Order: sequence, then structure tokens, then C-alpha cells
Amino acid sequence: TQLLEQSPQFLSIQEGENLTVYCNSSSVFSSLQWYRQEPGEGPVLLVTVVTGGEVKKLKRLTFQFGDARKDSSLHITAAQTGDTGLYLCAGDYNQGGKLIFGQGTELSVKP
Amino acid sequence: NAGVMQNPRHLVRRRGQEARLRCSPMKGHSHVYWYRQLPEEGLKFMVYLQKENIIDESGMPKERFSAEFPKEGPSILRIQQVVRGDSAAYFCASSSPSGSSYNEQFFGPGTRLTVL
Repeated sequence: TQLLEQSPQFLSIQEGENLTVYCNSSSVFSSLQWYRQEPGEGPVLLVTVVTGGEVKKLKRLTFQFGDARKDSSLHITAAQTGDTGLYLCAGDYNQGGKLIFGQGTELSVKP
Repeated sequence: NAGVMQNPRHLVRRRGQEARLRCSPMKGHSHVYWYRQLPEEGLKFMVYLQKENIIDESGMPKERFSAEFPKEGPSILRIQQVVRGDSAAYFCASSSPSGSSYNEQFFGPGTRLTVL
């Protein structure tokens, strides 16, 4: 059974601070996706990483895929109150089919 | 709006009734996935379907739950004789089999099922 450990589970920071969320597994991913979910809504896809060592940037968000494709991180620079939400990583182990989700990181950015 | 559509957004059922949840995938997508999100828990895979075929139902409870994706029309997740433990948010996602090989899945807004 593949498991995806996401940490931290909760994060409360002040506006302007930086933060990093981690996603780790003992298994190799075919690809890994990061989502953001607002209360009462479905997850919205932020990025997909596929290649080991890959780094992708989306404005103030930087996504990194580990060289061995077993781990990933999301770094937010100068967080804003609008970044508040639930961040989810999801791994694809079989090149298609179901995604295995991490437990999520509930981020709260205070003004 | 070419996104994944789900209806109803909210569904209230009494114990023992049936719940039917509908999902229309994004235009051009022929792969549909259902996930369940229980309070204080993450998203859990239930079933993966292609048109007229169930590909993987390893996450589906063995009893009372069924899913279909007919040739025409939306995918349906059906829960018979609902119990309070079925109360959750149910999300549908879709992906395209062609183009990207990354299994990018796009989610609908979800159906929030409450069992009284």
C-alpha cells in the first residue's frame, strides 16, 4: 500500500513570511500533483511534476520534485492572506489511474 | 464552462434511502474518477471508470456502492440504503487519455452528502 506523508498538517504564519510544505513517500512516483482546495469547493490543480529534480515556479510558489521521485516540496515566498487554504499533494504510482493523496496542509496566513 | 460538473452540490438523505451523484467530465475527457473526503480526512480514491468500463474499483466499499459511466450521459455514483457514515464530500475528477501522459486530474466542485 502506497502512503504519502504530508507535513506539516497545520501551519499558521504572518503575512510576508516564507513557508515550505513537504510530501514524502517510500515509493517512486510516475508523477506528482499539487492542489489547493478552498472550503466547500473541489481541489484545483496547481502543478504537475514528472522529472526527478524538476523545479517549477508559479508566481510566488516553487515546486520541487526529488531526484529519486519519492518526495516533493512546495515553497511559498512572502505569503499573502489570499494563500490561505488547504494544500494537497497527490501521487500517481502507476502512470495512470488513481491518485494517492497526502493528508493535506491547512495553511492560515494572518494579516 | 468546460470544467467538471457535479450535481447536486448538496444532497440530504435519510438513513435507508438511495443517493445518486452525477458527474459530467471536462469536454474531451473520457476518464472519470470518484473520490470521497470524510471530515478531518484526506481524499480517498473510490473508483476509476472509462466509457462503459470500470477500470479500478479497489477503493469502493463492497456493498451498497456502485458506479457507472455509460456511453451517453454523465457518470453516476450510486449509494443504496445510506447510513450516517456515508456523510461526506464526494468528488469527481476527469482526465484525458491523450496528449499529456501525466495523469492530470481535474476536479469538480463536489457533492456534499448529509445522511440524517
